[in-house]
Amino acid sequence: GAGVSQSPRYKVAKRGQDVALRCDPISGHVSLFWYQQALGQGPEFLTYFQNEAQLDKSGLPSDRFFAERPEGSVSTLKIQRTQQEDSAVYLCASSPRGAGVGADTQYFGPGTRLTVL
Amino acid sequence: QQQVKQSPQSLIVQKGGISIINCAYENTAFDYFPWYQQFPGKGPALLIAIRPDVSEKKEGRFTISFNKSAKQFSLHIMDSQPGDSATYFCAARLYNFNKFYFGSGTKLNVKP
Repeated sequence: GAGVSQSPRYKVAKRGQDVALRCDPISGHVSLFWYQQALGQGPEFLTYFQNEAQLDKSGLPSDRFFAERPEGSVSTLKIQRTQQEDSAVYLCASSPRGAGVGADTQYFGPGTRLTVL
Repeated sequence: QQQVKQSPQSLIVQKGGISIINCAYENTAFDYFPWYQQFPGKGPALLIAIRPDVSEKKEGRFTISFNKSAKQFSLHIMDSQPGDSATYFCAARLYNFNKFYFGSGTKLNVKP
């Protein structure tokens, strides 16, 4: 079946522009995660959804970052007034179960590479 | 403060050799320790994972060794192949929050 998909795959933005990154998780997956991966680094947690509820947004770097998953499936990560330090790969992952239900495999999308000029 | 520390940063191994990557953590609330493999331009893919009540897990050429008292775990790749050349990440999950912390990655190059 289809895996996690993300769009666009590449995004170039001028400093100060707003961007929206989309994630289509595997159908039926309860949990959805967003990560930021800087060049040569490991993924850094941004936020976590269980169905439509955003249970953890402690990793969002500033109030310019906003994520939503209104119907418990597709999610959008929005970055307002982009800055050069926002340049990174943004990864989305989904997993079948929710928090506290035992160990679970995360399935990652290919990521969106954001470059802010 | 990095929750999961990974070493080495890069590793070169001859074909057929053993690749060993190490990770250490401090938080005893971590309950699940996966390893991911990432190729350029792709998202990480789960390779193998272990829970802290098990000291070793083997799947094919890949083995995780887990030392709960030392708060360390490692990935061993036996009979390393050029196709194993990729970046490997260890991770740890904070159970009640379903929050994952990743190591900084190890770039493995297996020479033919």
